[in-house]
Amino acid sequence: AQSVTQPDIHITVSEGASLELRCNYSYGATPYLFWYVQSPGQGLQLLLKYFSGDTLVQGIKGFEAEFKRSQSSFNLRKPSVHWSDAAEYFCAVGAQFTGRRALTFGSGTRLQVQP
Amino acid sequence: NAGVTQTPKFQVLKTGQSMTLQCAQDMNHNSMYWYRQDPGMGLRLIYYSASEGTTDKGEVPNGYNVSRLNKREFSLRLESAAPSQTSVYFCASSEGGIGQETQYFGPGTRLLVL
Repeated sequence: AQSVTQPDIHITVSEGASLELRCNYSYGATPYLFWYVQSPGQGLQLLLKYFSGDTLVQGIKGFEAEFKRSQSSFNLRKPSVHWSDAAEYFCAVGAQFTGRRALTFGSGTRLQVQP
Repeated sequence: NAGVTQTPKFQVLKTGQSMTLQCAQDMNHNSMYWYRQDPGMGLRLIYYSASEGTTDKGEVPNGYNVSRLNKREFSLRLESAAPSQTSVYFCASSEGGIGQETQYFGPGTRLLVL
């Protein structure tokens, strides 16, 4: 069965600092990988996704993520964090060719941004 | 374009009461989903509907029922609410449904069962 681990429950960074959120997945085949962001009191919004091809994917709001098959990781990065980036971030993996029609989410990483 | 809408936004129930959470999407998507979100556990799939007229159980279906009323609407029913069902419920939709499609989420329904 597929699974997703986000080892950091809570991260605090200063505004303007760089950010890396970790995500490790477990899946037997090539995964479909997603990062979603949830602002307080809101639903989830897709930041970026990886299906195939270039392992470095660009998303909205200046985020990027790199797929590393050898490490089973899909870490999210941003070179300079803005106060508006404070939110909860979820990594998710989707199944391929198994007929499973949904995503498996990690437990989330809450990002706090200090001024 | 409203996307995915959910009603109500907030609800308080007493143990044993029933209620239906409503979800509608205007993107002509085939697949719809219901998730629950609990602290420290991410989102867990309750039920999904791959297409109009079909529904399937997800990871945590016990205590819930669903109805895919038409292509736009997918409702979640709690027949006899329990405190363990206190959670935030999200509806989502996607054009396809084999785990690779982008899912679009509603704003959520916050449910408190006393």
